[in-house]
Amino acid sequence: GAVVSQHPSWVICKSGTSVKIECRSLDFQATTMFWYRQFPKQSLMLMATSNEGSKATYEQGVEKDKFLINHASLTLSTLTVTSAHPEDSSFYICSTSTIQYSNQPQHFGDGTRLSIL
Amino acid sequence: RKEVEQDPGPFNVPEGATVAFNCTYSNSASQSFFWYRQDCRKEPKLLMSVYSSGNEDGRFTAQLNRASQYISLLIRDSKLSDSATYLCVVNLYPNTGNQFYFGTGTSLTVIP
Repeated sequence: GAVVSQHPSWVICKSGTSVKIECRSLDFQATTMFWYRQFPKQSLMLMATSNEGSKATYEQGVEKDKFLINHASLTLSTLTVTSAHPEDSSFYICSTSTIQYSNQPQHFGDGTRLSIL
Repeated sequence: RKEVEQDPGPFNVPEGATVAFNCTYSNSASQSFFWYRQDCRKEPKLLMSVYSSGNEDGRFTAQLNRASQYISLLIRDSKLSDSATYLCVVNLYPNTGNQFYFGTGTSLTVIP
């Protein structure tokens, strides 16, 4: 199956710092990448969907100016949490998909655990 | 109404037991279905896709009932290592592009 690399796996930062998370599709062209956030003991919450070469589509309630998504190539998408605050501490996970083949599942990165002090 | 609904559990079963989870979906246009497994503090990992005719992978059996709009996962001979949260996922592709909808997950604990 597809391999997705997410980096970094763990970040601890001071409040006010901007943090960039990378999501790479290693063995196939990911036309679509999804960014999720998961708080402890809660389900995955979709933040945004990004398609290569176009602007990301954000879910309701997700601030696009705070969570900047760039999907410049078919193998790389980045999520930047700008001016992070303690309430942004969460588990961020990316996943990839391709519309080249129907009925294909998503494949997830390992996730990034973000802790803002 | 949520796109995908699951019983959150928790399900606590003894080793060797058979356990089944159901998941209902609201959009009849849904095209593809999956079960994922998520361990604590880890990313979801694909367990199996669910095919119209039903499919089996070792101790795991997945079934789809389009008429009643639900999918199920059956785990036979439960192992301690099966303890995890099981997520059902539904995709409306190709009707609306790639839109994956997740259930909230069902927590399973297998007890020695």
